[in-house]
This record gives sequence, structure tokens and C-alpha cells, in this order.
Amino acid sequence: TQLLEQSPQFLSIQEGENLTVYCNSSSVFSSLQWYRQEPGEGPVLLVTVVTGGEVKKLKRLTFQFGDARKDSSLHITAAQTGDTGLYLCAGISGNTGKLIFGQGTTLQVKP
Amino acid sequence: GAVVSQHPSRVICKSGTSVKIECRSLDFQATTMFWYRQFPKKSLMLMATSNEGSKATYEQGVEKDKFLINHASLTLSTLTVTSAHPEDSSFYICSANPGANLQETQYFGPGTRLLVL
Repeated sequence: TQLLEQSPQFLSIQEGENLTVYCNSSSVFSSLQWYRQEPGEGPVLLVTVVTGGEVKKLKRLTFQFGDARKDSSLHITAAQTGDTGLYLCAGISGNTGKLIFGQGTTLQVKP
Repeated sequence: GAVVSQHPSRVICKSGTSVKIECRSLDFQATTMFWYRQFPKKSLMLMATSNEGSKATYEQGVEKDKFLINHASLTLSTLTVTSAHPEDSSFYICSANPGANLQETQYFGPGTRLLVL
């Protein structure tokens, strides 16, 4: 069974601070995705990383895919209150199309 | 971008009744749709894979007679929670895969909040 371990599960920081969320697995994934979800809404895709060692940037967010394609990280620089939300990593399982989600990281950015 | 809708957005029902939740792909056809359940401040848990024209595939531990899935057309999948009980209260989310390639990005609906009294 493929599992994704996401950490930390809860993070409360001050506006302007940096943070990193990690997503680790013992399995290889063909790609990993990061989502952000607001309360009462569906998750919104932020990025998909496909190539081992890949780094993608989305404004203040930097996403990295491990060389072995077993882990990924999300780094947010100078967090803003608008970054508050639930961040989820997910990998596609084999050829079934099923998304395996990590436990999620609830981020609270305080003003 | 691709849009997926869910109806209703929230529903309150009495214990013992059945509730149907619809998931529609608005601007694309989806051979495969997925149903997830989510508890407060927790991650999404895959319940089942809905396949157009065939039976749904349920994840381990999910009762197929409790959570009936019908994927009658390429744009609509329904999840019926039968004989609902308070422990079925949750946030239900669907997603749809727009292509034949199951490695493609899934598009998520906005979710349905179910409260069973």
C-alpha cells in the first residue's frame, strides 16, 4: 500500500515568516501534486511535479520533487495571512488514477 | 479550466433517510470520477472510483450497499448515502478525470456538507 507521510500536520506562524511542509513516502510516485483547500471548499491544485529533482516556483511558493521521486516539499517565503489553509500533497497510485493523499498540513498565518 | 459541480452544497437530513449527492463535469466528459470523504481538519479519504457504464470500485472498508454510486452518463455521477446515521455526517467531495489517461490531473468539486440528525 502506498502511503504519503506529510509533516507537520499543524503549523501556526507569524506573517512574514518562512515555512516548509514535507511529504515523504517509501514508494516511488510518477508525479506528486500539491493542493490548497479552504474550509468548506474543494481542494485547488497548486502544482504537479513530475521529474525527479524538479523545482517549481509559484510566486512565494517553491515546490521540490526528490531525486528518487519518493518525497516532495513545499516552501513558503514570507508567509501572508492569505496563505492560511489546509495544504495537501497527493500522488497518483500506479495506473489506476487514484490519488493518495497525505494527512494534510493546517497552516495558520497570524497577522 | 475544467469545472466540476456538486449538488447540493449542504444538506441536513434525519437519521434513517437516504441522501443523494450529484457530481457533474460541466465542460468535459469524464469516464472516471472519484468520491472522497473528509473529516474536519483532516485529509481526503478515497471512498470509491466511479466508472461510467460499469460498477463502481470501492476502497477497503467502504460499504457498497451503504454508499451507492451510479455513473449513468459521461458528465454525471451520483453518491447515495442510504439509511444515513449521524456518523455519516461529513464533507463529501468528488473529482473527475477528463481524459482516458488516468495519470491526468483530476478536477475537484466544491464538496457537499452532510449533517445527519
